[in-house]
Order: sequence, then C-alpha cells, then structure tokens
Amino acid sequence: EAAVTQSPRNKVAVTGGKVTLSCNQTNNHNNMYWYRQDTGHGLRLIHYSYGAGSTEKGDIPDGYKASRPSQENFSLILELATPSQTSVYFCASGDVGFPERLFFGHGTKLSVL
Amino acid sequence: DAKTTQPDSMESTEGETVHLPCSHATISGNEYIYWYRQVPLQGPEYVTHGLQQNTTNSMAFLAIASDRKSSTLILPHVSLRDAAVYHCILRVFSNTGYQNFYFGKGTSLTVIP
Repeated sequence: EAAVTQSPRNKVAVTGGKVTLSCNQTNNHNNMYWYRQDTGHGLRLIHYSYGAGSTEKGDIPDGYKASRPSQENFSLILELATPSQTSVYFCASGDVGFPERLFFGHGTKLSVL
Repeated sequence: DAKTTQPDSMESTEGETVHLPCSHATISGNEYIYWYRQVPLQGPEYVTHGLQQNTTNSMAFLAIASDRKSSTLILPHVSLRDAAVYHCILRVFSNTGYQNFYFGKGTSLTVIP
C-alpha cells in the first residue's frame, strides 16, 4: 500500500520564525504535492514537484518555498511564518498511471502565533 | 473561482443508497473528474474517477452527465464507515505542463444508524 508520511503532526510556531514541514513517500512516485486546507475552502495547491531537484509553483505559492532533494522527500519551507499561514498542510504523491491518482499523508496542523 | 460545486452536507440512514451531486459547469474536454473522501485527522482517500463514461468499482458508482457539466457519486448500502467529507475534484492540464487537482469544499455525509 502506498505510504506518505508527514512530520511533524502538529507544530506551533512564532510569527517571523522559520518552519519546515517534511514529507516522505515510499511509493517511488515522481510527482509530489503540497496542499493546505482551511475551513470554507477546498484543498489548495502550494507547490509541486515532478522529481528530485524540481519544484513548481501552484496556485498559492506566496510565502512558501519547496525543496525536493530526493525522490522520497519533499519539504515545505516557511521562511517567515505569519498567522495567516495557520492551517492544515497535506503532502501527496502521485502515481504514474494515467490518469494520475494522489496518495495523501495524514496532514500537519500548523499554528502560527 | 470554484471549479466544482457541492452541497455542504447530506444525511442518510445505514443501508440506503446515497447520491452525492457535483456541478462542474465550466469543465473542459480533457479534465478528469475525481472523487476523494476524507475522515477527520486524515488526508483524502481516492474513491473513483472518470472522463466521459460512467464508472464503477468496489467503493462506488460514478455517473457522469452526457454534457459532463455534472456528476453524481452513488454509494450503495452505506454503513457508518462511509461517513466522511466527499470531495469532487477536477484534474486540470495545461499546454505548459501545469497540472492541478482542484478540490471543491466537499459534502459532509452523515450516516445515521
């Protein structure tokens, strides 16, 4: 079964601090995604990657950076965290079948105070 | 702008068949329709997908209107384990390689014993 693991599960950060959310997948999928989920909105795409070394901007990339150092790992970085970035963040990997299916992690709940 | 529209909530009784509607009036010809479901404290889980033809699998039946502007996820004989938020999603491709799964707000399905 596909496995996507996110860490940490919960994070409290201070405004202006740096936050790194990590994601690891054991599916050997090329594509990986970072979404955020807020009340009143569906999941919204922040960054995605086609493979190691690549990162692409999604619909709401402002205030976020991404890093894909290997096939397995995809990180989301908040250099200067703000309270508006308080949210639940989901990482997903996508299989190579057509059409693609996404496999999600359990999410990281981030609170920026 | 939301690409899909769903009712906020629906309720059913165990053993009934549930019809979850989704409107996607601006869908383009190459955009796939996906359905995912999500329970609290977990990431979304794949249910099914389709392009033009109705599809069925062990989890659900997906009925797609002939003009593709709407679809209905049909859950036969629901149980308490089917209680979840059901997301109707469009997968968008572009000539530049941009791709995204556009999530709606989802329908919260309550199942009554």
